[in-house]
Amino acid sequence: QSVLTQPPSVSGAPGQRVTISCTGSSSNIGAGYDVHWYRQLPGTAPKLLIYDNTNRPSGVPDRFSGSKSGTSASLAITGLQAEDEADYYCQSYDSSLSGYVFGTGTKVTVL
Amino acid sequence: QVQLVQSGAEVKKPGASVKVSCRAFGYTFTSHYIHWVRQAPGQGPEWMGVINPGGGGTTYAQRFQGRVTLTRDTSTSTVYMGLTSLRSEDTAVYYCGRVAAASPDALDIWGQGTMVTVSS
Repeated sequence: QSVLTQPPSVSGAPGQRVTISCTGSSSNIGAGYDVHWYRQLPGTAPKLLIYDNTNRPSGVPDRFSGSKSGTSASLAITGLQAEDEADYYCQSYDSSLSGYVFGTGTKVTVL
Repeated sequence: QVQLVQSGAEVKKPGASVKVSCRAFGYTFTSHYIHWVRQAPGQGPEWMGVINPGGGGTTYAQRFQGRVTLTRDTSTSTVYMGLTSLRSEDTAVYYCGRVAAASPDALDIWGQGTMVTVSS
């Protein structure tokens, strides 16, 4: 049972904008720990999309953006494309667990 | 090319132990911490622990304390994850991940994953 809660699924038509929330608490996101976002295709390892709340690694399109406020963080995908269909996970550190935690995961469907 | 290459799939009986390797290529092995993450079928990722390949220091997730051991061999640029007292709930894909240079704890390079099946 993860301490970071995400919506199970979000969907949108090609070209639209979708957002994925990651809700934590005062022992993780709210304590100021950074949030990272990963995309995972079936049968493959997660891929880093956003690190330290808002930063994109080299090669990640600027259609992906991250934000953080209070005890929550969000990932936005603009100009939705068929290739964006995947599972998305947030990650942060939790001081009460003294370890890292992943979100519950969100499946993005392109209609 | 920067990559992490893991050992092959394992099938173990309950109560046994497993040791999965993760070999680093294309970068300075001692400059990046390595994390281990597992993912049970149909579930999200679960963090297990981290090792500093430089000094060998480790931190483990509370729920795996006493059962997991991370070690490294700097001569071969390899990190090992050992898990003991296996039970059916440990059936999962196990991944190693390298901490990015630009972040204290984001994982930018991942191994291909190692499937561990625990079954009698």
